[in-house]
Amino acid sequence: SQQGEEDPQALSIQEGENATMNCSYKTSINNLQWYRQNSGRGLVHLILIRSNEREKHSGRLRVTLDTSKKSSSLLITASRAADSASYFCATVSGGYNKLIFGAGTRLAVHP
Amino acid sequence: GAGVSQTPSNKVTEKGKYVELRCDPISGHTALYWYRQSLGQGPEFLIYFQGTGAADDSGLPNDRFFAVRPEGSVSTLKIQRTERGDSAVYLCASSANRGETQYFGPGTRLLVL
Repeated sequence: SQQGEEDPQALSIQEGENATMNCSYKTSINNLQWYRQNSGRGLVHLILIRSNEREKHSGRLRVTLDTSKKSSSLLITASRAADSASYFCATVSGGYNKLIFGAGTRLAVHP
Repeated sequence: GAGVSQTPSNKVTEKGKYVELRCDPISGHTALYWYRQSLGQGPEFLIYFQGTGAADDSGLPNDRFFAVRPEGSVSTLKIQRTERGDSAVYLCASSANRGETQYFGPGTRLLVL
């Protein structure tokens, strides 16, 4: 079963706008990661945030983590058409680093 | 350098047949993971190898699924007596070691008719 729940399921915006995706999870975690997937195939790792961190930045990406609410958000600033993809959060619990994914948010950025 | 590769990229088979899916991890990566992704869903964990041994196979859905990694590099996921419900994209990932970033292959799309 999947632990993460992404919201919204789908997001449609114009180029240049910001996109915010949210993720909620159920159990305590070691870290939370965000991945991007194009065309239903390989996933690309975007960013990892550890349970003792609250915010992390990478280029146009900003991730926040609120462990008290068991939630995270991914913000993509100044979006581009090339950002169109599915975005998944994945949590890591325990010692083996297996990823537990949510169902994902489908982002469409229109030129 | 070369990423994770998976073969075949697509596999069509008939219900009841046996299939093997191959994963070549990034050279030197000791940890290898298999996931399965159904349409419209996120990937679901199947099995994790550390070296040659399966450290966690709790995600394998039943005993028709089996995976090996005999030399600690290439891994093969084997599905016996395939069922239509096995149709999905099977993803492989590797990491330099346990707890490090996982790098995914392009996946094998399996269709069971």
